[in-house]
Amino acid sequence: DIQMTQSPSSLSASVGDRITITCRASQNIKTYLNWYQQKPGTAPKLLIFAASSLQNGVPSRFSGSGSGTDFTLTISNLQPEDFATYYCQHSYPPPPNTFGQGTKLDIK
Amino acid sequence: EVKLVESGGGLVKPGGALRLSCAASGFSFGGYDMHWVRQAPGKGLEWVSSISSNGAYIYYVDSVKGRFTISRDNAKNSLHLQMNSLRVEDTAVYYCASEWGAAGLEYWGQGTLVTVSS
Repeated sequence: DIQMTQSPSSLSASVGDRITITCRASQNIKTYLNWYQQKPGTAPKLLIFAASSLQNGVPSRFSGSGSGTDFTLTISNLQPEDFATYYCQHSYPPPPNTFGQGTKLDIK
Repeated sequence: EVKLVESGGGLVKPGGALRLSCAASGFSFGGYDMHWVRQAPGKGLEWVSSISSNGAYIYYVDSVKGRFTISRDNAKNSLHLQMNSLRVEDTAVYYCASEWGAAGLEYWGQGTLVTVSS
């Protein structure tokens, strides 16, 4: 099974900052990589699919890049509503479509 | 409006069984692969199982193989997860989610809590 490793596990930042979260796959997954945002008590929300495609309705300050085994999620000009936990997930077939362990982003 | 509504969660003793359901509306359910994802209290997301749009391809995480069975009824726009031989470590919020063409889990339900405890 493919393992997904996210870093850092937690991150403190301020409104207006630019932050980057990384995700590494244990083998080549091409661009089969998705990013989600989750706020406490709510279901996850898809932000980025296929490594760099922005889901409809997601602000353009969110961006994704990478291919193969190394991927990044970048949030520019952090807004108060962006403080949440972020997960990567691979969708390289076949399943299991493993998630990373999550990155908690909080306000500095 | 797209809706996924899970039901069937609750408190069950170790070794017991539960059947989760997910009712879908507002999108072409029969064209989407469907997934179950769980989240133990205070923990991260764990992918559990998936079923292809026509039901032909089914997958499970190793920890539930032989105990959980995923199924779907496209005529009734519904997804199910039969969970047998439940363990304390199966305690989690269970979400159903839809996927179109390996483009990520686009639609999610609100989740249903399963608690396995004596």
